[in-house]
Amino acid sequence: GENVEQHPSTLSVQEGDSAVIKCTYSDSASNYFPWYKQELGKGPQLIIDIRSNVGEKKDQRIAVTLNKTAKHFSLHITETQPEDSAVYFCAARDSSYKLIFGSGTRLLVRP
Amino acid sequence: KAGVTQTPRYLIKTRGQQVTLSCSPISGHRSVSWYQQTPGQGLQFLFEYFSETQRNKGNFPGRFSGRQFSNSRSEMNVSTLELGDSALYLCASSDGWGPNGYTFGSGTRLTVV
Repeated sequence: GENVEQHPSTLSVQEGDSAVIKCTYSDSASNYFPWYKQELGKGPQLIIDIRSNVGEKKDQRIAVTLNKTAKHFSLHITETQPEDSAVYFCAARDSSYKLIFGSGTRLLVRP
Repeated sequence: KAGVTQTPRYLIKTRGQQVTLSCSPISGHRSVSWYQQTPGQGLQFLFEYFSETQRNKGNFPGRFSGRQFSNSRSEMNVSTLELGDSALYLCASSDGWGPNGYTFGSGTRLTVV
């Protein structure tokens, strides 16, 4: 079945710097890759997603890139702000339409 | 519009008991999925329901079960609770086929003592 690996597990950046979180997946049939942000006491919130027919997608300060050949996808956050501090999860939809999550990255943005 | 509503928010149960958690999806959403979130295992898929039918199932023992009603509300039940069942149980809904654009609820925090 699908396996999603996510790195790093924790990431600390200075406010205004960029943050990059990377994920790899194993099932070449996976074709949908969402990213979720989870704040304390809340459920994960979808922040951006990308489909396998697209290489890059951007929404204001966040962007996601996908390399289908290498089975890599990454989340890029520019001009980080303290409110970006949260746990971020990548995920891949496997061939049976289940969403498989990475283990999460705890992002801390230092003011 | 209202989001995904999960009740109760917190629950404390004793080993061996059973528990039922409830999830009301976003109005119009017909797909409801359940996940277990623990610090050690992350987000693990339990099952998905679509139009009252279980469409997908994860690798959990038969003590974990669920159902969906005609109004798309879903319940999950855990019988013979074990200490290891302590977790945050999350419900997510979507309006289409599969987990496109999942919206999660805030979860039910289950503690088994």
